[in-house]
Amino acid sequence: GAVVSQHPSWVICKSGTSVKIECRSLDFQATTMFWYRQFPKQSLMLMATSNEGSKATYEQGVEKDKFLINHASLTLSTLTVTSAHPEDSSFYICSARDLVREKTQYFGPGTRLLVL
Amino acid sequence: QKEVEQNSGPLSVPEGAIASLNCTYSDRGSQSFFWYRQYSGKSPELIMFIYSNGDKEDGRFTAQLNKASQYVSLLIRDSQPSDSATYLCAVSDSGAGSYQLTFGKGTKLSVIP
Repeated sequence: GAVVSQHPSWVICKSGTSVKIECRSLDFQATTMFWYRQFPKQSLMLMATSNEGSKATYEQGVEKDKFLINHASLTLSTLTVTSAHPEDSSFYICSARDLVREKTQYFGPGTRLLVL
Repeated sequence: QKEVEQNSGPLSVPEGAIASLNCTYSDRGSQSFFWYRQYSGKSPELIMFIYSNGDKEDGRFTAQLNKASQYVSLLIRDSQPSDSATYLCAVSDSGAGSYQLTFGKGTKLSVIP
C-alpha cells in the first residue's frame, strides 16, 4: 500500500504556543489530503480537506484561523495549531488520496499533541 | 447529513471463528466503501475497499456490499488474537469530487484465544 508519513509523532508544548505538523505522501502524489482529529475512545472527526495549490476547506465548527493548513506540493501538507490550548490536545491524523488509486485514502501514523 | 452506522460492540469471538462486522449508510449516492482497522493508539489502516455489489475476497477477509439495502459487511475468517482492534467502516461519495470519507464510529472486535 501507499505510504504516508507524519512528523512529529509526539508533541508536548506549553499553552499559547503554535505547533506545526507535517504530512507527506512518500511514494505517490496526492492532490488532496485530509486532516482528522480523534479524541480518546471517539471516532475520527474530519477537520479539513487540503487541496494542493488552493485554500483548504474546513468542516463546520473548525476554526480556520486556529488550524492553518498549507498544501504547497503534491506530497506535502502542513497543519499548524496556533495558540494551542489544553483542549487542543488530541491525536491528529492526516490521510492522502492517491491520484492513481483515486478512491483510496491512506492514513499517516498520526501525531499526538499534548498541550500543558 | 450523511451517516454511517456500526454496532460499537465489543464483538467477542473465539480464535478460529468467523467474525462478522456490519455497517449501514444513509446516502444512496455513496459510491465507494472501505474497511479500516485501527489498533489502540494507532492510526487507521486500510484493509479492503469495495465498489460493486457482491463479495470481494482478500485472504481471510471478505467484504460484502448490497447497495439496495445500503449495507456493507466485513467477514474475517479464522480470526486471530491479532485481529483484535476497532474496525471502521467508511463511505465515500466520489461524485462530490473531493472523495471525502464519512466514518462510522467503529466496532471493537475482541478475538479470544
